[in-house]
Amino acid sequence: TQLLEQSPQFLSIQEGENLTVYCNSSSVFSSLQWYRQEPGEGPVLLVTVVTGGEVKKLKRLTFQFGDARKDSSLHITAAQPGDTGLYLCAGAGNYGQNFVFGPGTRLSVLP
Amino acid sequence: EPEVTQTPSHQVTQMGQEVILRCVPISNHLYFYWYRQILGQKVEFLVSFYNNEISEKSEIFDDQFSVERPDGSNFTLKIRSTKLEDSAMYFCASRKTGGWGYGYTFGSGTRLTVV
Repeated sequence: TQLLEQSPQFLSIQEGENLTVYCNSSSVFSSLQWYRQEPGEGPVLLVTVVTGGEVKKLKRLTFQFGDARKDSSLHITAAQPGDTGLYLCAGAGNYGQNFVFGPGTRLSVLP
Repeated sequence: EPEVTQTPSHQVTQMGQEVILRCVPISNHLYFYWYRQILGQKVEFLVSFYNNEISEKSEIFDDQFSVERPDGSNFTLKIRSTKLEDSAMYFCASRKTGGWGYGYTFGSGTRLTVV
């Protein structure tokens, strides 16, 4: 079973600060996704990365897939209170395989 | 933006009762999934469904669980005899294809409370 770990588990920062959260595994993933989940809602897809070393940007969010495709990071620049939520990474090992979710990083951005 | 719709949003049931959770996936999506999330824990895979049959299921998805696509639009999860530990948020998701580049679209979930 492929397992994903995320760190930190909790993060509380002030508006305007930068932050990075991490997703790590001992397994190689063919594809890795990041989601944001708000209380009482389903996860919402932010990005999918499939190539080792790939970097994708979504406004203030920068996602990187590790060269060995075992890890990924999400960097947020100038965090805003609207960025508050649970950030989940999910990975799939092989084509068509279902995605396994990490435990998430709970981010709180204080105004 | 197309949505995955789940009903009901909250269901309270007595232990041992049967429940059916309903989902309407995005109309041109071909792959359907159920995940669950126990309060404070991670999102766990239950089952995937493609071409009118189960393609993969987890250890959680035992004989008490079943899925069905009774018509062209609905996708249901049935729990035959609920247990206290079945209390969780149940999320339905769909994808257009099974390819790596496509993420899930999740519904807002059904909160199941077994008492």
